[in-house]
Amino acid sequence: DTGVSQDPRHKITKRGQNVTFRCDPISEHNRLYWYRQTLGQGPEFLTYFQNEAQLEKSRLLSDRFSAERPKGSFSTLEIQRTEQGDSAMYLCASSLKTWLAGGYNEQFFGPGTRLTVL
Amino acid sequence: SQQGEEDPQALSIQEGENATMNCSYKTSINNLQWYRQNSGRGLVHLILIRSNEREKHSGRLRVTLDTSKKSSSLLITASRAADTASYFCATDAFYTGANSKLTFGKGITLSVRP
Repeated sequence: DTGVSQDPRHKITKRGQNVTFRCDPISEHNRLYWYRQTLGQGPEFLTYFQNEAQLEKSRLLSDRFSAERPKGSFSTLEIQRTEQGDSAMYLCASSLKTWLAGGYNEQFFGPGTRLTVL
Repeated sequence: SQQGEEDPQALSIQEGENATMNCSYKTSINNLQWYRQNSGRGLVHLILIRSNEREKHSGRLRVTLDTSKKSSSLLITASRAADTASYFCATDAFYTGANSKLTFGKGITLSVRP
């Protein structure tokens, strides 16, 4: 399967614990995005990388959240001191940014990691 | 904040009928994309329309874009029960540069009755 993969698919944790999610993008894609989706809402942007550089972070990404993409391939999203309000589906997407295509490339999403904070 | 607003919020139709969903947005865009999400799963990309395009087709899907009205519509013809899902429009805003973050609406829940 050459699509975007995320691990784990489900995570249940207690309030105050730290959690880390992993995303493996489509191999040739240079851009990687993290979104968060709560029930009944559309996904909300958190952050994105071009290769290993983090280009933008949303105001939603508080100091408890950190994302990395150390080698420009897979990415991790860590949430420290989880709160019940962090319960959501965390979605990862990747795309190929090329000037040849005019930059208009679709984002391909992974299946998501569903986080439940008790 | 969510830029796109889809209309209606929920739509129920009979198999074989056409389904039309609308999306309005607020700022200038590079492109607009439609996604489908089945219950509890990831998003599947359906179609992308650039800001300089007015209409695009893909199989049973037809998308229109009116940048003067800042609106788009998604038409699914000859609907099937398998089309039952949530549909989201997402905009790639002009000021952020092409192919950066997407801003999604709240989605439309489509139910297709067999």
